[in-house]
Amino acid sequence: AQTIHQWPVAEIKAVGSPLSLGCTIKGKSSPNLYWYWQATGGTLQQLFYSITVGQVESVVQLNLSASRPKDDQFILSTEKLLLSHSGFYLCAWSLAWGGAAEQFFGPGTRLTVL
Amino acid sequence: AQSVTQPDARVTVSEGASLQLRCKYSYSATPYLFWYVQYPRQGLQLLLKYYSGDPVVQGVNSFEAEFSKSNSSFHLQKASVHWSDSAVYFCALSGGSNAKLTFGKGTKLSVKS
Repeated sequence: AQTIHQWPVAEIKAVGSPLSLGCTIKGKSSPNLYWYWQATGGTLQQLFYSITVGQVESVVQLNLSASRPKDDQFILSTEKLLLSHSGFYLCAWSLAWGGAAEQFFGPGTRLTVL
Repeated sequence: AQSVTQPDARVTVSEGASLQLRCKYSYSATPYLFWYVQYPRQGLQLLLKYYSGDPVVQGVNSFEAEFSKSNSSFHLQKASVHWSDSAVYFCALSGGSNAKLTFGKGTKLSVKS
C-alpha cells in the first residue's frame, strides 16, 4: 500500500531563517507530486508540481522553491522566511496527469513564522 | 480563470439530521469536481468526485453530491450525520489538461450529539 509522509509535523521559525519541508511517497513508482499551501483562514493553493525527477514547475510565486531529488521525494524550501509564509503545507501525489487525476494528500506540516 | 466558492464557513447540525454543504464554481467548460474532508490534525481525504454522466455521485461514508451545470453548483449531502462527521469539508475543481486543483475556503462542520 502507498504511504505519504511529511516532515516535520510542525515548525516554528524566525523571520529571515531558512526552511526545508519534506515529503516522501512510498509504494508508488514515478508519481506526479504537488505542494499546496493554506494560509490561516484561507484556501488551499497549489504552489508547485513535478512530473519527473529533477523537474519542478512553479504555479504561484511565494519566494519559495521546490526540488525533486529522488523519484519518491519532494522538498519545499526557502533561504529567508517571511511572516506571510505561515500556514499549512500539504504534499500530494497522483499517478495520472490532468484535470481528472485523483490527488492523494499527506498529513501536512504546520508552519508558524514569528 | 477558475474559482470555487463555499458560502458557509461554519455549519452546525444535530446528530441524525440531514446535511447540505454548498459549493458554487466558476469555469468556462464542464469541470472535474471533488469533495475532500479534513479531520483534525490530518491531511485531506477524497469523499467523492464528478467527471461526467449521472449528476448525482455517491461517495464514501454515505455522502453524495449533485452536479448542476445550470446552477454551477456541486452541493454535498448526507441523509443522517454522525458526530464523527465533524470536520472541515473542501470543494475543489480542476479542468482541462492540467492538474491544478482550485479549492474553496472550506466549511467547518460541527455535529452536536
